[in-house]
Amino acid sequence: AQSVTQLDSQVPVFEEAPVELRCNYSSSVSVYLFWYVQYPNQGLQLLLKYLSGSTLVKGINGFEAEFNKSQTSFHLRKPSVHISDTAEYFCAVGTLLSGSARQLTFGSGTQLTVLP
Amino acid sequence: NAGVMQNPRHLVRRRGQEARLRCSPMKGHSHVYWYRQLPEEGLKFMVYLQKENIIDESGMPKERFSAEFPKEGPSILRIQQVVRGDSAAYFCASSPVRNLINTEAFFGQGTRLTVV
Repeated sequence: AQSVTQLDSQVPVFEEAPVELRCNYSSSVSVYLFWYVQYPNQGLQLLLKYLSGSTLVKGINGFEAEFNKSQTSFHLRKPSVHISDTAEYFCAVGTLLSGSARQLTFGSGTQLTVLP
Repeated sequence: NAGVMQNPRHLVRRRGQEARLRCSPMKGHSHVYWYRQLPEEGLKFMVYLQKENIIDESGMPKERFSAEFPKEGPSILRIQQVVRGDSAAYFCASSPVRNLINTEAFFGQGTRLTVV
């Protein structure tokens, strides 16, 4: 079974400052990792995903994440945030089961609030 | 190109009533996933359906909950005899194929169910 832990439920940060949202996972098999963003009153939108290859993954809106297998982490970063980045961010893990993935396991979310 | 459409966006039910949540997947998508988000928690997988078939319902509560995805029309998540603990946001996602690793799942805006 897999699980995802997002260590911070709330992250306030000033505009143009860097931010890191932390995510740790556990899984007994090979994993595939995702970050989703949820703006107020909207559905989840995929930010980026790690399937294989380079451990540094670049996504939309200037976000990037680094897969660290030894630390079982997949932290999300942005060098300079904007007010419009205020949203809830979810880390998720998917595992390949018998050739297809049936579901994603989500963390509890991190509310990023960008302050002027 | 409409995204995943869920309705209603907000639903209030009294204890003991039935709740019906509808999800219309993106055009061309034949795979639907339902997730539940309890307050202060991440999304939890409930059920995965293809047209006219339930593929994986390992996350569905054993009683009162059912789901269908008929040949024509939206997918329906049905909760009978609702209780206060059913209050949550229910999200639907769709994908064109079965594999959620290489294919992005698109999420709807969710239905927020409140049981009073």
